[in-house]
Formats: sequence, structure tokens, C-alpha cells
Amino acid sequence: QLQLQESGPGLVKPSETLSLTCTVSGGSIRSSGYYWGWIRQSPGKGLEWIGSIYYSGTTYYNPSLRSRVTISVDTSKNQFSLKLSSVTAADTAVYYCAKYTTEKNAFEIWGQGTMVTVSS
Amino acid sequence: EIVLTQSPGTLSLSPGERATLSCRASQSVSNSQLGWYQQKPGQAPRLLIHGASSRATGIPDRFSGSGSGTDFSLTISRLEPEDFAVYYCQQYDSSPITFGQGTRLEIK
Repeated sequence: QLQLQESGPGLVKPSETLSLTCTVSGGSIRSSGYYWGWIRQSPGKGLEWIGSIYYSGTTYYNPSLRSRVTISVDTSKNQFSLKLSSVTAADTAVYYCAKYTTEKNAFEIWGQGTMVTVSS
Repeated sequence: EIVLTQSPGTLSLSPGERATLSCRASQSVSNSQLGWYQQKPGQAPRLLIHGASSRATGIPDRFSGSGSGTDFSLTISRLEPEDFAVYYCQQYDSSPITFGQGTRLEIK
């Protein structure tokens, strides 16, 4: 059974770079027909798609965050990663990684989420 | 960007009742590109419906989705205690992927 697990610092200082990794277990990140995405949810707010990546390295980003976001994939480790630069308090959120199934055009499997707070 | 507006913001119902949640898009969304998710406190969202009307794996048949164009709905035919949660719609007819702001379904 496929599972995703986010990892990374829970506290990041303003103006620094937020870095998270999602480890995929129970299946291969190289499977065709799936993208691997990052979604965040600010406290008490809704869901915001950050971006997605295919195992080949093709990326898609939300235009609202594109200038600060980099998503990468490491197929040897079955992981994909998120970097968000120049963070502010507005970037405080629960960050989820998820598997996007192109056949369904939906995020079919989610990680449990990790809370990241931006504060000095 | 396609904006999804969900209504009502909060829906108060009793177990056993029927719930109908609405999702309206700012422009037409192809049926195959609209999904619904359920989120309980402290948990990640769970996919309920994809392609506007197809239930995801393991989702009970009391959940159903319908609609087309700009108007979509999620219906829960007979509410169970575990159905009280926040529900989100999501589209990927055009980038960026967007979510509605959510409907909170609470026990009356």
C-alpha cells in the first residue's frame, strides 16, 4: 500500500528557505500516470496547490508561488522535495505531499502533513 | 485561474439526514476535472469523488457527485456520525489546480 511521509524542519526563520522532503514507500515514484505534488494549508484556511513533478523531472508550479518554489525528484531514493525561498509569516502552514493520478485528475493519496512555522 | 466558490459555508444537519453541498466555478470545468475531498480535524484530505461523479476506491455509496459546466454538487444521502467534517472541491481543467474554500458539515 502506497504511503507518503513528509519530513523537514518545523521552524524556519523569515527570509530563509523552507525545505521539505516527501518519501514514497510501498510503490515506485517512477510509475507512469502519476505526478507528485505539494499542497499547503494555512492555519484555519483552505488548501493551496504549490506545484507538482513527474518522475522525469517535469514540473508545474502555481504562478502565485513560482518565483520562490523549486520542486525536485530523486528517483534513487524514491523521494521528491520542496524548496520555498524568502519565506515570511504568510508561509506558515501545514505542508502536504500527495500523489496525483492523471487518470482521475485528483490527489488520490496524501501524506499526513507537516506543520512549518515561519518565525524568528 | 478558475475560482471555486462553495456553499453554504457551514451546514448544520442531523445524522440520518441528506446533505447537499455546492461548488460553483468561475468558468466552465470539464466533468473529468472536478473532485471532492473530505477533511477531518488533524487529518489530511481524503479523495471522495473524481471526474465529478466517480467514487474513489473504498468510498461508501451514500456519497455521490453530480453537475457539469460551472455547477457541481456533492450529496450524502444519509449522514453517518463520521461524515461530519469539512468538504472541498478541486479542479484541474486549467492550471493552476485550485480548491474551493470548503463547506463545514456540523452536527445539528
